[in-house]
Amino acid sequence: SQQGEEDPQALSIQEGENATMNCSYKTSINNLQWYRQNSGRGLVHLILIRSNEREKHSGRLRVTLDTSKKSSSLLITASRAADTASYFCATGASSASKIIFGSGTRLSIRP
Amino acid sequence: NAGVTQTPKFQVLKTGQSMTLQCAQDMNHEYMSWYRQDPGMGLRLIHYSVGAGITDQGEVPNGYNVSRSTTEDFPLRLLSAAPSQTSVYFCASSYGKFSSYNSPLHFGNGTRLTVT
Repeated sequence: SQQGEEDPQALSIQEGENATMNCSYKTSINNLQWYRQNSGRGLVHLILIRSNEREKHSGRLRVTLDTSKKSSSLLITASRAADTASYFCATGASSASKIIFGSGTRLSIRP
Repeated sequence: NAGVTQTPKFQVLKTGQSMTLQCAQDMNHEYMSWYRQDPGMGLRLIHYSVGAGITDQGEVPNGYNVSRSTTEDFPLRLLSAAPSQTSVYFCASSYGKFSSYNSPLHFGNGTRLTVT
């Protein structure tokens, strides 16, 4: 079974609005990462948050991590058409080297 | 740096044929892995390696073999292709072990495989 599960599966918003995606996971982790995938391409790393961090920012991206609830959220502010993509969270269990991805959130930005 | 290079980009096989998907990285990364991506399923881990000579199974290893004779290369072998192996395959690498080194994965652009 997959370690990370994203919610919602699909999200459609107007350009300029904020987009929030959530990820839940099952085991103890050292860190959690978010990736973006444009159609037909490989995944691109966006941001990494360590298990001892609660919030991290990178440009228009804000990631939060709640280890007590085993959940994370990715917020994209002031969305743009170029943000249209699928977004995945990935986790590595503290005791293993496997990196497991969730099923992703498909984000569509309407002009 | 070329990063992670996957070949071929596209491949069509007949059921029962075998083939090798190539993956090479020039970043001196210890960790390499193979994923398959099917519609609505996200990425599923097939096999991974934490260094030359070391490989381990992921979530869906059946029907696939790997070896890691050098740090740079991590080929994925399909032993006897089946229609269920129709998918997009991604190779990814990172510096050190993911959990210990807090390092991101670098992905290739994928191989789109169709088995008829």
